[in-house]
Amino acid sequence: SQQGEEDPQALSIQEGENATMNCSYKTSINNLQWYRQNSGRGLVHLILIRSNEREKHSGRLRVTLDTSKKSSSLLITASRAADTASYFCATDKLGQNFVFGPGTRLSVLP
Amino acid sequence: DGGITQSPKYLFRKEGQNVTLSCEQNLNHDAMYWYRQDPGQGLRLIYYSQIVNDFQKGDIAEGYSVSREKKESFPLTVTSAQKNPTAFYLCASSLMTGLTGELFFGEGSRLTVL
Repeated sequence: SQQGEEDPQALSIQEGENATMNCSYKTSINNLQWYRQNSGRGLVHLILIRSNEREKHSGRLRVTLDTSKKSSSLLITASRAADTASYFCATDKLGQNFVFGPGTRLSVLP
Repeated sequence: DGGITQSPKYLFRKEGQNVTLSCEQNLNHDAMYWYRQDPGQGLRLIYYSQIVNDFQKGDIAEGYSVSREKKESFPLTVTSAQKNPTAFYLCASSLMTGLTGELFFGEGSRLTVL
C-alpha cells in the first residue's frame, strides 16, 4: 500500500508560531497533495507537489518532498486561529487510487 | 459558482432502510469519487467513476451502490447490507482521469443510523 501517515496526530501551538506536519508513505508516487478540513466540512486542496519537485510554496505554506525517505512536510508559517483544522496528505500513483492518511489535528490558540 | 453540491447535509436512517446521497458537480469534471470518513480517521474510497455509465469499486464498496447516468451526477446508495453505515460521506471530483490531479470536495453528508 502507498498509505500516507501524518505525524503528529495532534498539534497545539500559539498564534504566530510555525506549525510543521509530516507525512510518510510506503511506495513510489506520482504526486503528493496536502488538504485541509475544517470540522464537519469538506476537504480543501492546499498544494500539490510532484515526485520530481523538492519544495513548493504557496502563501504561508511550504511543502517539501524527499522521495528517498518517502516523506513530506507541510510548514505553516505565522499561524492564525483560522488555521485550526485537520490536515491530510494524499498520495497518488497513475492508475491507482488516491490514498489519504489519518490526518494531523492542528489547534492554533489565540 | 462552480463546485460540488452534496445533499442532504444530515440524514437519519432506520436499520434496514436504504438511503441515497446526492452529489452534483458543475465543474465539467470526468472523474467522481465517494469517500467515507469515520471519526479521527482518514478517507476511505467507496466507489469512483472516470466516465459516464462506468464505475469501479474502491476499498470498501460492500453495502454501497452507485450510478453514473450523467456526467454531473454520482449518487451513492447506502443499502441495508452495510452493517455500520453511520459516518461522514464525502463526494469529490477531479478534472484529470487516471486517478491523479487535484480533488474538489463537497461539504459532506452525515448519515446516522437510529
